[in-house]
Amino acid sequence: NAGVTQTPKFRVLKTGQSMTLLCAQDMNHEYMYWYRQDPGMGLRLIHYSVGEGTTAKGEVPDGYNVSRLKKQNFLLGLESAAPSQTSVYFCASSTRTVYTEAFFGQGTRLTVV
Amino acid sequence: DAKTTQPTSMDCAEGRAANLPCNHSTISGNEYVYWYRQIHSQGPQYIIHGLKNNETNEMASLIITEDRKSSTLILPHATLRDTAVYYCIVPNYNNNDMRFGAGTRLTVKP
Repeated sequence: NAGVTQTPKFRVLKTGQSMTLLCAQDMNHEYMYWYRQDPGMGLRLIHYSVGEGTTAKGEVPDGYNVSRLKKQNFLLGLESAAPSQTSVYFCASSTRTVYTEAFFGQGTRLTVV
Repeated sequence: DAKTTQPTSMDCAEGRAANLPCNHSTISGNEYVYWYRQIHSQGPQYIIHGLKNNETNEMASLIITEDRKSSTLILPHATLRDTAVYYCIVPNYNNNDMRFGAGTRLTVKP
């Protein structure tokens, strides 16, 4: 049981490049989330999904797109990376927001130069 | 989400109880209080959650005031490994999202 797995763990992008971060969970969870964490700051919600085929915007959605084509996977895309998107990205999943706990991946450290 | 307010930082002596406060004065009747912690740069870890009654598990105790406007997370015997940022969260029941604030940085000292 791997829990929540994020791919890749580290990445360096040049400004303007695109990339996709993959989050995979094997717990059959309905809800999945993407957060970013800047140095010395708390986590900020980018996008989330309450089920396969559905996504919603969080606190800081600009510059990101997401897709949830399969229940177990939640993809975060950067179409044209900017230095301001340098951050650590965390994915999480839960059965529901309330009543249950969320499980987090170990993060993806992204640097945009 | 109901807004939460936590102290920026706290210190605690090793072996003593760590009491971390959280104010959530706008909480609604059906909203839960959750606590997570983040050790160094790892992914956050769930600790405990509650609605009205006090809760206890193997990691911590959660004390919620009768009016539900504040709560306290208690680590009964803090160890150096409990040094982390602790987040108090009140997810909005209808929005289905979960937002973290800045949290409290707890430093357990020898």
